[in-house]
Amino acid sequence: SYDLTQPPSVSVSPGQTASITCSGDKLGEKYVCWYQQKPGQSPVQVIYQDNHRPSGIPERFSGSNSGNTATLTISGTQTLDEADYYCQAWDSNTALFGGGTKLTVL
Amino acid sequence: QVTLRESGPALVKPTQTLTLTCTFSGFSLSTTGMCVSWIRQPPGKALEWLGLIDWDGDTFYSPSLKPRLGISKDTSNNQVLLRMTNMDPVDTATYFCARSPIVGAIPDGMDVWGQGTTVTVSS
Repeated sequence: SYDLTQPPSVSVSPGQTASITCSGDKLGEKYVCWYQQKPGQSPVQVIYQDNHRPSGIPERFSGSNSGNTATLTISGTQTLDEADYYCQAWDSNTALFGGGTKLTVL
Repeated sequence: QVTLRESGPALVKPTQTLTLTCTFSGFSLSTTGMCVSWIRQPPGKALEWLGLIDWDGDTFYSPSLKPRLGISKDTSNNQVLLRMTNMDPVDTATYFCARSPIVGAIPDGMDVWGQGTTVTVSS
């Protein structure tokens, strides 16, 4: 089966750049989405098709995908960006999620 | 405005069958490229995709859960149903439905999510 691997946690200082990775075999050949989930809330899509931002998502969120790794980058991280982040890809008509990364802003 | 809302029992007993309803508005599931996915999240754990139904009524399921799952749609009432058999305490989770459009043969992921409904499996 196909697996997506994320680091369990990432810490960043306010105003700095946060990078969250998602690894999978030949992941660069698939399209990756990213979701933000705050405690007690439903996930919100922040990136689709590797590097596209849905309407309403701040420009500080960006994505890339190449080789075996996709990366979500948050520039000028704000305290309100503290949340769990999940990557997601499709493999043989099946959606897969990474294990999630808890982003701490302190 | 696109909205989705999950509904169903909050508590089911082991071995019972769970049926959840996703009621949506703001889009039509008969439009080419439109899909609805079901996803769940056990307490404190990661998201897990369960399956989806597309505009043609075709269904796709997580391989590990496929024997227990059934997804159907009622297009006229803007509803998608999830049926999961032989429920077990490990199936305790929040269950979400989400719109999952395919644009130009490229899946856009899950762009709008419902609020989720919590299901506890216990005797």
